[in-house]
Amino acid sequence: KQEVTQIPAALSVPEGENLVLNCSFTDSAIYNLQWFRQDPGKGLTSLLLIQSSQREQTSGRLNASLDKSSGRSTLYIAASQPGDSATYLCAVVDTGNQFYFGTGTSLTVIP
Amino acid sequence: GAVVSQHPSRVICKSGTSVKIECRSLDFQATTMFWYRQFPKQSLMLMATSNEGSKATYEQGVEKDKFLINHASLTLSTLTVTSAHPEDSSFYICSASLGTGVFGYTFGSGTRLTVV
Repeated sequence: KQEVTQIPAALSVPEGENLVLNCSFTDSAIYNLQWFRQDPGKGLTSLLLIQSSQREQTSGRLNASLDKSSGRSTLYIAASQPGDSATYLCAVVDTGNQFYFGTGTSLTVIP
Repeated sequence: GAVVSQHPSRVICKSGTSVKIECRSLDFQATTMFWYRQFPKQSLMLMATSNEGSKATYEQGVEKDKFLINHASLTLSTLTVTSAHPEDSSFYICSASLGTGVFGYTFGSGTRLTVV
């Protein structure tokens, strides 16, 4: 069964810093990988989706990479802002269209 | 874009009562919907996969008789928490599939259930 791990579990950075969130998965037979943002008590906001054939996707200050063979993905956030404070979840979608979520990284950006 | 409406967003109920959560696809037909549960400070856990017109497929450890799922139409799936207990208090989120497999997922806004 697919297992998804995110490191670190929590991260606190001063405003303006660049940061990297890590996601690893055990089964490389994925369909795609997605990064989500979750604010406390709220649903999920989709940030980036990387198809299994792609290496990276970019949206604004966010860049996500995918190395399927090594079972890793990173989410890079440039010039962090206090509004970026949230929990970031990565999810792997298998060929049966089932989602496997990571444990999340709680990010705090200090003004 | 595809929108999934989940209702209610918050509900407080007494122990022993049942609560129904609705997940509607507003502008598309969803042949498959997923129900997730999230405990505080933990990730989402898939509870069940709901297919229109057939019985839901439950994940291991999820009580079928406690969490009743009905997907009677292509735009509506419901999750009913029966005989709720305080330990059922959690955040429940649904997701609907467009069926394309690649870009075909959208999530509801979630329901915060508190059982007192």
